[in-house]
Amino acid sequence: LAKTTQPISMDSYEGQEVNITCSHNNIATNDYITWYQQFPSQGPRFIIQGYKTKVTNEVASLFIPADRKSSTLSLPRVSLSDTAVYYCLVAEGTGFQKLVFGTGTRLLVSP
Amino acid sequence: EPEVTQTPSHQVTQMGQEVILRCVPISNHLYFYWYRQILGQKVEFLVSFYNNEISEKSEIFDDQFSVERPDGSNFTLKIRSTKLEDSAMYFCASSVGREDTQYFGPGTRLTVL
Repeated sequence: LAKTTQPISMDSYEGQEVNITCSHNNIATNDYITWYQQFPSQGPRFIIQGYKTKVTNEVASLFIPADRKSSTLSLPRVSLSDTAVYYCLVAEGTGFQKLVFGTGTRLLVSP
Repeated sequence: EPEVTQTPSHQVTQMGQEVILRCVPISNHLYFYWYRQILGQKVEFLVSFYNNEISEKSEIFDDQFSVERPDGSNFTLKIRSTKLEDSAMYFCASSVGREDTQYFGPGTRLTVL
């Protein structure tokens, strides 16, 4: 089971780029890295997923170094509505993805 | 864009009562899950379900819990005799394949009095 470690909280201002780094030293060969966003009293929302190098979509970018022991979620030009908890997850290898959520990173975006 | 839906959004019940939480997964998805989140705590896996069978369950998912896919669209979680500590947000999720992205519903807030 690959455990993830990410900062408990981060603060930013509107318009800034935010980078949230997650470490997962024990990631297995078959594991993917997935990031979810959660607003209060709502279900987790998928943001991005990757295996190695860089993945970009309309919401964020995910940077994964060659050793895959960490990953960085990059949110360009955040707005107030990006205030949420962000979870880094590593899928438990093959078979069902029993997603294991940590405490996440609470991002607060201020005006 | 297809979404997972859940009903009701909020359920209040008395301790010892049975509750059924309902979910409609995304239509072409084959794998279904229930998670829960006690207020202020982590999202916790409860159970995964495929081909009308439970594939994996956590230690939380004891004999008081059951899941069912009663028809081609609904996926339900039943708690037979609710306890105070069952109060939580319950999230349903679904995925196309076993290693594909899981998409979560908005949740049902269960309050046990």
